[in-house]
Amino acid sequence: QVQLVQSGAEVKKPGASVKVSCRASGYTFTNSYMHWVRQAPGQGLEWMGTINPNINGRSYAQKFQGRITMTSDSSTSTVYMELSGLRPEDTAVYFCARDRGSTRTLEHPYCFDYWGQGTLVTVSS
Amino acid sequence: DIVLTQTPLSSPVTLGQPASFSCRSSQSLGDTDGSAYLSWLQQRPGQPPRVLIYKTSNRFSGVPDRFSGSGAGTDFTLHISRVEAEDVGVYYCMQATQFPRSITFGQGTRLEIK
Repeated sequence: QVQLVQSGAEVKKPGASVKVSCRASGYTFTNSYMHWVRQAPGQGLEWMGTINPNINGRSYAQKFQGRITMTSDSSTSTVYMELSGLRPEDTAVYFCARDRGSTRTLEHPYCFDYWGQGTLVTVSS
Repeated sequence: DIVLTQTPLSSPVTLGQPASFSCRSSQSLGDTDGSAYLSWLQQRPGQPPRVLIYKTSNRFSGVPDRFSGSGAGTDFTLHISRVEAEDVGVYYCMQATQFPRSITFGQGTRLEIK
């Protein structure tokens, strides 16, 4: 069965960077897009960006351009999301979510079908 | 970017009664019935979200058939035919039509039992 397992909680100081990992299993890693979504405490969901592990293509939300880097490692079926220049308002739970759309046919992403358990990142001085 | 506006923000419902939630988009997500990249997700307290409906009206595997989705263009609706206690949580609509430029979520509708 498909599983996405994320790295553990992080506490960072303002200005630092954080790198969150998401290890996938139960499917062919390069066949599916992976999205990153965050949720601030008590707030809604916010899309951060998407990586296509098949071609290492990335799309980032404009809000995070210049601060975010997504990478993938096919040898370990792991995607990474690094966010730099952290601010207190970046305190949130960060989720990875697989898309049902096929990267092989460049199918348009359309369904976040499996989610990681979430990683709490706390930014505080 | 496309803005999704959900109403109501909170919905107290009696067990066994129907519920419906609206999601209105600032731009058309697709005019043909079922063609819009509009999903509905449920988030129970303390859990990650899970998809209920994708591409407007397709029920995801394992989702009870009391959940259904409809709509086209800028107006979409999630229907629950008979609310059960396990349905408590926050429901989000999400559009992926504008990908890769953006994917956006509505602000959520909280379902609670009356």
